[in-house]
Amino acid sequence: GAVVSQHPSRVICKSGTSVKIECRSLDFQATTMFWYRQFPKQSLMLMATSNEGSKATYEQGVEKDKFLINHASLTLSTLTVTSAHPEDSSFYICSARDASYLDNEQFFGPGTRLTVL
Amino acid sequence: DQQVKQNSPSLSVQEGRISILNCDYTNSMFDYFLWYKKYPAEGPTFLISISSIKDKNEDGRFTVFLNKSAKHLSLHIVPSQPGDSAVYFCAASRSGGSNYKLTFGKGTLLTVNP
Repeated sequence: GAVVSQHPSRVICKSGTSVKIECRSLDFQATTMFWYRQFPKQSLMLMATSNEGSKATYEQGVEKDKFLINHASLTLSTLTVTSAHPEDSSFYICSARDASYLDNEQFFGPGTRLTVL
Repeated sequence: DQQVKQNSPSLSVQEGRISILNCDYTNSMFDYFLWYKKYPAEGPTFLISISSIKDKNEDGRFTVFLNKSAKHLSLHIVPSQPGDSAVYFCAASRSGGSNYKLTFGKGTLLTVNP
């Protein structure tokens, strides 16, 4: 149980285009989903927290107009990188929290490697 | 300001021996701690967690120890196996926080040599 999927696993795009990444909880309902990015040999940096049916909460320094997050259902959250630039190239990982668990455990997706040319 | 620190970027141990991964935190509001294992180009996999009301939690070969006064936790893996080779992240959170955010350390690369 507690499986989280991400799609696509890898995407290469041209500078200036927008890219959408999907995060799905496959066997549980996720009232809260989180989006992280990870640079090589660095920690996972939280970008935003997404609550179903409400606006996402962005961490300091993360541009909400550039990284659009939608959490339209209890099993799906999307991250759209708008007008992507080479510096946005990174490994993006989502996680989901199972609302039925009292603990703060998050289940992570396999990640999406974004390369902007 | 790094609130969760893993000061050893890498650790190498022999198969069958004990691996000890360390983590320190600075925020006294943290009361729930987790360890994740991560392979390259994959998402982290949950290993084990501990609440601040405990000082030890064990699950098979994995044991996490928490020393609240020192703001220090450690993950013990015994016996270590080559398949344990991965990056291990320590994470901390506050219970009752509205968003249950996790703060991660930078990770420790564990290499278990056959």
